[in-house]
Amino acid sequence: DTEVTQTPKHLVMGMTNKKSLKCEQHMGHRAMYWYKQKAKKPPELMFVYSYEKLSINESVPSRFSPECPNSSLLNLHLHALQPEDSALYLCASSQDHGGYGYTFGSGTRLTVV
Amino acid sequence: QQQVKQSPQSLIVQKGGISIINCAYENTAFDYFPWYQQFPGKGPALLIAIRPDVSEKKEGRFTISFNKSAKQFSLHIMDSQPGDSATYFCAASSTSGYSTLTFGKGTMLLVSP
Repeated sequence: DTEVTQTPKHLVMGMTNKKSLKCEQHMGHRAMYWYKQKAKKPPELMFVYSYEKLSINESVPSRFSPECPNSSLLNLHLHALQPEDSALYLCASSQDHGGYGYTFGSGTRLTVV
Repeated sequence: QQQVKQSPQSLIVQKGGISIINCAYENTAFDYFPWYQQFPGKGPALLIAIRPDVSEKKEGRFTISFNKSAKQFSLHIMDSQPGDSATYFCAASSTSGYSTLTFGKGTMLLVSP
């Protein structure tokens, strides 16, 4: 299995809702990442987990809450989002936290209404 | 923040032509230079990557040229096809220690039939 699987593919949520994005990989990768991508922009790093521990938080607002239940799973919990948070949310993984060999998922297209 | 500068922002090439995208970096600690291809609604997919110990790497119609002294690298797509129409991101990272990818701003390539 050489894929990163993200669910759901599309999500519409209100500003008072709580929702979660899910990411799964079975490549034995020990680093996992959440990125946010706006239209016509490069992916923007949000969080990095290395060996199931949060190693980087790029000053992301607390309405985004990451969780790594085990080495194969990564969640992003969403609460009280704003319309400007609408974007493509990408998960990625790599063998280790060394900037090499990233595999990206197809993303979750999030719309906040 | 260390940057990777990418140009052009957009590119139109006729079918069968050569597409050339250029990137320049500042951080001399970078030692891994991947190119990602992204289709609308999909996550970035690794296309080809190079390390600074070689000046050129070719995979099919895709070639990376690397100039370490100038801190520049470029992607050449030979015999460009309409199916190559996508957004291309160059990136750079250091593979030692904790590091993450630094992306260029992207190039939207359109290959006209």
